[in-house]
Amino acid sequence: ETGVTQTPRHLVMGMTNKKSLKCEQHLGHNAMYWYKQSAKKPLELMFVYSLEERVENNSVPSRFSPECPNSSHLFLHLHTLQPEDSALYLCASSQGPNQPQHFGDGTRLSIL
Amino acid sequence: QKEVEQNSGPLSVPEGAIASLNCTYSDRVSQSFFWYRQYSGKSPELIMSIYSNGDKEDGRFTAQLNKASQYVSLLIRDSQPSDSATYLCAVITLGGATNKLIFGTGTLLAVQP
Repeated sequence: ETGVTQTPRHLVMGMTNKKSLKCEQHLGHNAMYWYKQSAKKPLELMFVYSLEERVENNSVPSRFSPECPNSSHLFLHLHTLQPEDSALYLCASSQGPNQPQHFGDGTRLSIL
Repeated sequence: QKEVEQNSGPLSVPEGAIASLNCTYSDRVSQSFFWYRQYSGKSPELIMSIYSNGDKEDGRFTAQLNKASQYVSLLIRDSQPSDSATYLCAVITLGGATNKLIFGTGTLLAVQP
């Protein structure tokens, strides 16, 4: 496998459920990111991890909880989400903070 | 003021024409600039990066950067229907514990056969 892989591709969940999004990068990069993309809005940076340490939390509600166990894997744990959290969640990785980011295919999340 | 601004379009050009996509940014100290292409239902795909003033050419794509005017553009020559997509301008700005990649809302390009 190459690039950045995200699972699942689609997720439908109720507001009381708990689920996790997974991201894996095979590019040897040192930084990983979570973004939220909603219709008609720019990509919103949620979290940044550099060398497995969280270096940025962009004022994201606590119902989103990231985890980075190693430089190749990134998770986004979800609990008690709201309907407005329905969006495309994209994972990206880069070699360094000033380098281009490469994106996974995203998880389309729908909250019922 | 938005940090990265793009005209949302749609920008409609005939097949074979030059498509010109524009972007302005607010952070004067930005050093790294990128263009991503995003097809409907897909993730953004990096197509160009530019770091210094002037033009950078890659196949049918040319990125142009003018730091004094805080302006970056993307030209697509000999546009093809397969170029129809949303083009996202992204700029790395300095801030907090790490630099941030800030995206514009994107310009929808429609190439008419």
